[in-house]
Amino acid sequence: EAAVTQSPRSKVAVTGGKVTLSCHQTNNHDYMYWYRQDTGHGLRLIHYSYVADSTEKGDIPDGYKASRPSQENFSLILELASLSQTAVYFCASKGARTDTQYFGPGTRLLVL
Amino acid sequence: QQKVQQSPESLIVPEGGMASLNCTSSDRNVDYFWWYRQHSGKSPKMLMSIFSNGEKEEGRFTVHLNKASLHTSLHIRDSQPSDSALYLCAAVNTNTGKLTFGDGTVLTVKP
Repeated sequence: EAAVTQSPRSKVAVTGGKVTLSCHQTNNHDYMYWYRQDTGHGLRLIHYSYVADSTEKGDIPDGYKASRPSQENFSLILELASLSQTAVYFCASKGARTDTQYFGPGTRLLVL
Repeated sequence: QQKVQQSPESLIVPEGGMASLNCTSSDRNVDYFWWYRQHSGKSPKMLMSIFSNGEKEEGRFTVHLNKASLHTSLHIRDSQPSDSALYLCAAVNTNTGKLTFGDGTVLTVKP
């Protein structure tokens, strides 16, 4: 199975602070995605990327930036963290010839 | 408005029973559906996908799809306590490669 890792696995941040969540995949996948999941709900797409050095806005991009410096790495940046951004964040990747997305273990973010 | 609606929100079935979960998309650009299972505190894991009208069976799991109504359903027979999880339906738009998830159904299988 595809390997996707995320760091940190959990983080406590202060309101107004900067937060960077990292995702790394070792499967040579072209596509990478960032989702957030609120308690008891499904996943919502924040940003995604088809290729290194390029990112696209998902369904809920406001308050988030993304960076894809290489094929393997995809970061999610919260420049000014807010209470409403408390959630679990999942990274996923997929190959170009499949629609199967493989998810990382998630990062639990608490903004105080 | 949520583009992918799942029902029921929660479901309790006895061990050995049948669980039936539903999912409908309001987006006509959807091409097919994935079902994911997410155990508490874990990441979603793909369960099954369905591309064509009709039925697909894998072990205890059966998925149905009606493309005209953009409705899919997942049926789990002989439910086990280990099947207790959040079941997420995802509608796939192959033009964009994006998945749109529903809010899920929480399944509890009582021993």
